[in-house]
Amino acid sequence: GAVVSQHPSWVICKSGTSVKIECRSLDFQATTMFWYRQFPKQSLMLMATSNEGSKATYEQGVEKDKFLINHASLTLSTLTVTSAHPEDSSFYICSAHPRLAGVYEQYFGPGTRLTVT
Amino acid sequence: RKEVEQDPGPFNVPEGATVAFNCTYSNSASQSFFWYRQDCRKEPKLLMSVYSSGNEDGRFTAQLNRASQYISLLIRDSKLSDSATYLCVVNPYNAGKSTFGDGTTLTVKP
Repeated sequence: GAVVSQHPSWVICKSGTSVKIECRSLDFQATTMFWYRQFPKQSLMLMATSNEGSKATYEQGVEKDKFLINHASLTLSTLTVTSAHPEDSSFYICSAHPRLAGVYEQYFGPGTRLTVT
Repeated sequence: RKEVEQDPGPFNVPEGATVAFNCTYSNSASQSFFWYRQDCRKEPKLLMSVYSSGNEDGRFTAQLNRASQYISLLIRDSKLSDSATYLCVVNPYNAGKSTFGDGTTLTVKP
């Protein structure tokens, strides 16, 4: 199956700093990637849709200036959590659609566990 | 009402049992349907796609009922390793934004 990687797998940072998370599709091209957040024992929450070459589409209630998304190539999307606060501590997961006809599944990266102290 | 609703859990079953999960969706224009499993502190992994009349993969069978707008997942001969949270996922169009159910937690006990 398709492989999606994320880096870093975990990060601890201090309040007020910014953290960049990378999402890469390793063996396929993805015009669309998605960023999710998941708090413990809760369901996945879609934050934004990342579109290659254009602006991301954010879900209601997600601050676009706080969660900066860049999808500069068909294999890489980045999420930057700016001025992180302890309440941003969460499990961030990206997913991607292979750019292949007839393939509609999403493939998820292994996630990044962010802890803000 | 949520766009995708799943059976509330948790399901606790003995090894070897058969267990079924249901999922309903509200958008009648939905095009594609999936079951994912998510282990604790891990990312979701695709378990099965459900495109038309359903499909079977070993001990797992997924069914789609477009008229009633629900999909189901049947697990036969449950194994301890089947313990996980099962997520129902619906796409409004084939390569678009997915809507996830809240998940159903299954625990298979010896």
